[in-house]
Amino acid sequence: SAVISQKPSRDICQRGTSLTIQCQVDSQVTMMFWYRQQPGQSLTLIATANQGSEATYESGFVIDKFPISRPNLTFSTLTVSNMSPEDSSIYLCSVRGSTNEKLFFGSGTQLSVL
Amino acid sequence: SQQGEEDPQALSIQEGENATMNCSYKTSINNLQWYRQNSGRGLVHLILIRSNEREKHSGRLRVTLDTSKKSSSLLITASRAADTASYFCATEEAAGNKLTFGGGTRVLVKP
Repeated sequence: SAVISQKPSRDICQRGTSLTIQCQVDSQVTMMFWYRQQPGQSLTLIATANQGSEATYESGFVIDKFPISRPNLTFSTLTVSNMSPEDSSIYLCSVRGSTNEKLFFGSGTQLSVL
Repeated sequence: SQQGEEDPQALSIQEGENATMNCSYKTSINNLQWYRQNSGRGLVHLILIRSNEREKHSGRLRVTLDTSKKSSSLLITASRAADTASYFCATEEAAGNKLTFGGGTRVLVKP
């Protein structure tokens, strides 16, 4: 199993500002995944963060809006830039377990943009 | 588009009853997984079934997989109020290693 510490757990932000979300894993992992969950919706993969290389973004998500850092094998950040109310969502980081099948999730960041 | 579609979208049952939810998907998969989410928090993995398996049990959970119909079901037996949560299926496509989540089923278990 993997234990992920994600923070902040929630924030209320003003339009036009940026928020950086942090995830710390208790073991070294190759890939970390960032998901967005819009209100009442399912999870959508934003990007896969690899240590030592640029993150791989899914269709509809761009680096300028969601820059990701992955400085080492246990840590990653996701920044939501120039926020608008449409960015109000839960953001979740996750990693694969040791069998590389199931995902372990952080507790999520509930973001509200006014 | 979403790989997994779930039904029903919402389910309300009495404690002690069984809850069944279904997931359909579109492409070939390596495995299908079920997750639970409490009150918009992080998801917790429940059970994984591989493409060559047809049924799997874990405690009060029973999962079936029909690859010919591209569908799966999750049964929670003897439900408890603590089972109140949203349940998501997720498929790992045969072509890649990322998980794609279904729309989810919101389950309310009334005491």
